[in-house]
Amino acid sequence: EPEVTQTPSHQVTQMGQEVILRCVPISNHLYFYWYRQILGQKVEFLVSFYNNEISEKSEIFDDQFSVERPDGSNFTLKIRSTKLEDSAMYFCASTNGGRATDTQYFGPGTRLTVL
Amino acid sequence: QKEVEQNSGPLSVPEGAIASLNCTYSDRGSQSFFWYRQYSGKSPELIMFIYSNGDKEDGRFTAQLNKASQYVSLLIRDSQPSDSATYLCAVKTGFQKLVFGTGTRLLVSP
Repeated sequence: EPEVTQTPSHQVTQMGQEVILRCVPISNHLYFYWYRQILGQKVEFLVSFYNNEISEKSEIFDDQFSVERPDGSNFTLKIRSTKLEDSAMYFCASTNGGRATDTQYFGPGTRLTVL
Repeated sequence: QKEVEQNSGPLSVPEGAIASLNCTYSDRGSQSFFWYRQYSGKSPELIMFIYSNGDKEDGRFTAQLNKASQYVSLLIRDSQPSDSATYLCAVKTGFQKLVFGTGTRLLVSP
């Protein structure tokens, strides 16, 4: 069964450093998302991406965040200058349609630890 | 702020019992409602979704939706210890993002 994959599974970085989190969505999917979950808190939407551009972003997704689909398979989230409060699980998700009933499938996540 | 509310639990039920998980949402324009299961340290795993008023059954799981009351529930019949997890209610507002509740932790005791 096709699945979303994410690398690395765990990333440790120093405050102020740049990190890139990588995702490979399900191959025929067209809509891509990043969510994050701070330990003990709810899953929060960051950004959605379709047709090579951001279609929606949350207030969390400020100028230090960016997303890119550098080729036909990868979808990346870059955090330019990490802060302690960026420590969280980051989940990539994808879906094949933009309808309200289309299901988003989540990858296993990347645990980001900022020291 | 569009919110999705869930009781954090834990909800404790004995093996074989019915577990009832509830969720309310604030945005009357919400169109579809999803239940995900999340084991500790893992990603959300889809259980089922519902978008019409009434009940929808899938195996041991039944989702119930009442748009007038802005209420969604998930029933788990014949609960098993392996069902012990956090159950996330998520609401799709518009056509894209999911808005999640904080989740209800379910404990099924043997």
